[in-house]
Amino acid sequence: DGGITQSPKYLFRKEGQNVTLSCEQNLNHDAMYWYRQDPGQGLRLIYYSQIVNDFQKGDIAEGYSVSREKKESFPLTVTSAQKNPTAFYLCASSTTSRESLYFGPGTRLTVT
Amino acid sequence: GIQVEQSPPDLILQEGANSTLRCNFSDSVNNLQWFHQNPWGQLINLFYIPSGTKQNGRLSATTVATERYSLLYISSSQTTDSGVYFCAVRRRGGSEKLVFGKGTKLTVNP
Repeated sequence: DGGITQSPKYLFRKEGQNVTLSCEQNLNHDAMYWYRQDPGQGLRLIYYSQIVNDFQKGDIAEGYSVSREKKESFPLTVTSAQKNPTAFYLCASSTTSRESLYFGPGTRLTVT
Repeated sequence: GIQVEQSPPDLILQEGANSTLRCNFSDSVNNLQWFHQNPWGQLINLFYIPSGTKQNGRLSATTVATERYSLLYISSSQTTDSGVYFCAVRRRGGSEKLVFGKGTKLTVNP
């Protein structure tokens, strides 16, 4: 089945630790995105990548880092510099022509 | 940047009722999408509709780009329609990213 997988579904970390969220897609999409969702809010763009080995900051990139070494994979690292990391993180992909977004199931990160 | 406003913020229906959700945006767009987020957090793309009208089963959407709004119609609602509906747009001539509204939370009671 084609789709986007994110792991893990739930993640718990202590304050001060970096944590990496996984995102893999087998849709052969060129573009991939990371969004953050807080309770009762819409989605805010963290980073996006339109091609391998290239990525751009979104609206709230501070405290996050990404890599895009393979077309299928776009991992997100939440660093200790992110002041309020507890949130629901969603990965998405799209073709570069149509740009309809397809989302993974999300990772709920809790930092205490 | 572009502003996206969705209304109403909350909507409660009885099963079988029809509803209309609205998305207003503040600038010309070349990309508009509607999404449904189920109670478990999964987001499903419903429509890619920068202009015109589309239908998919009980759902249909209309975007009037010249007047800067889009409507999502849900007919004969079912409990599985519950969740949050998001509109997302990209400004024509702007950066690559989509901007999301805050969503309409729909609850369909049996």
